[in-house]
Amino acid sequence: AQSVTQLGSHVSVSEGALVLLRCNYSSSVPPYLFWYVQYPNQGLQLLLKYTTGATLVKGINGFEAEFKKSETSFHLTKPSAHMSDAAEYFCAVSVTSGGSNYKLTFGKGTLLTVNP
Amino acid sequence: KAGVTQTPRYLIKTRGQQVTLSCSPISGHRSVSWYQQTPGQGLQFLFEYFSETQRNKGNFPGRFSGRQFSNSRSEMNVSTLELGDSALYLCASSLALRGTTAGGYTFGSGTRLTVV
Repeated sequence: AQSVTQLGSHVSVSEGALVLLRCNYSSSVPPYLFWYVQYPNQGLQLLLKYTTGATLVKGINGFEAEFKKSETSFHLTKPSAHMSDAAEYFCAVSVTSGGSNYKLTFGKGTLLTVNP
Repeated sequence: KAGVTQTPRYLIKTRGQQVTLSCSPISGHRSVSWYQQTPGQGLQFLFEYFSETQRNKGNFPGRFSGRQFSNSRSEMNVSTLELGDSALYLCASSLALRGTTAGGYTFGSGTRLTVV
């Protein structure tokens, strides 16, 4: 079965600083990987996804992530944090075999705080 | 293009009662999934429907059930409510092309259920 580990339940950065949110996954088959963002009292919004092809994936709002198979990682980065980036971020994995199809397995989430 | 619509947004129920939540997917999306989000357990997969058939089910008791209609709208039902069922219930829809989640899921804003 697949699993996701997000390192750091809470990350705090200054406005304009680099944002780095860490995600490691476990999967016995090639995974699909996703990052979602959740603002208070709202649902999840897809930031970016990796399925196949280019390992550096660009998403919305200036975020990007790199799939590193050797490290089983899919870390999310943004060069310069903005106050509006403050939210909770979830990494998720999906696989296409072993009866685990058609669902996302989420990490516990990382709450990003941006300080002025 | 309308997003995923969940109704109601908020719900308060008493222990022992039952509840039905509704989800209307994005037009053209045939896959609908349900997730439970709680502070302690995070985001957990409940079940997924495609063309009125349940294709995958998470590890929840039989009190949790769902169905999908011919127009792809979905409902989930929780019977004999317990205090621990208090959560944000999220619905997500997907094109589910080629039987995978490669396209990603679009989430609704959720239904906040409080059991008292």
